[in-house]
Amino acid sequence: GDSVTQMEGPVTLSEEAFLTINCTYTATGYPSLFWYVQYPGEGLQLLLKATKADDKGSNKGFEATYRKETTSFHLEKGSVQVSDSAVYFCALLYGSSNTGKLIFGQGTTLQVKP
Amino acid sequence: GAGVSQSPSNKVTEKGKDVELRCDPISGHTALYWYRQRLGQGLEFLIYFQGNSAPDKSGLPSDRFSAERTGESVSTLTIQRTQQEDSAVYLCATRKGVGEPQHFGDGTRLSIL
Repeated sequence: GDSVTQMEGPVTLSEEAFLTINCTYTATGYPSLFWYVQYPGEGLQLLLKATKADDKGSNKGFEATYRKETTSFHLEKGSVQVSDSAVYFCALLYGSSNTGKLIFGQGTTLQVKP
Repeated sequence: GAGVSQSPSNKVTEKGKDVELRCDPISGHTALYWYRQRLGQGLEFLIYFQGNSAPDKSGLPSDRFSAERTGESVSTLTIQRTQQEDSAVYLCATRKGVGEPQHFGDGTRLSIL
């Protein structure tokens, strides 16, 4: 079945460092891909999305490119801030179903130190 | 309010008791989803509502779990005879239409003693 795999956390970086959080997926058909973020004490928020191959989603300095050839959707940011500390979830929209349910990775905790 | 509202925010109960969790969707959002997030894990899909019908219940882990929805409004997730493995954060999400993103509530943190 469809699945999402994220790199293990926690990821600990210093402020202004470059961030990559790896995400790969297995899916039938052509899923849409998402990154959600969960800040401490808050609910999940959509960070960015891409709906087809080679699309690049971007928001708040974060970017991710939908790579069909490598079945990947890695999240990147050039210069992280302490306020980016959160749990990041990669997710796919179940492509062969019209229910719209999301399949999530296990989440990656990012800690940014000043 | 403008967002998805869930109540209670925290629930502590004894093993064997029944619990009811509530989700108030964003007005006009026809699709509603329940997910479960166990500690250190990703979200697991439980059930999907379109209006007040549930075409996909495939994620409900056992017959102790059930859910209802009133029209395109409130949904309740009920867990009967709770077990310790039911401890998790239960998240509700709603969506306006096909292709629209899901908007999540803050969740209910359920702890079974």
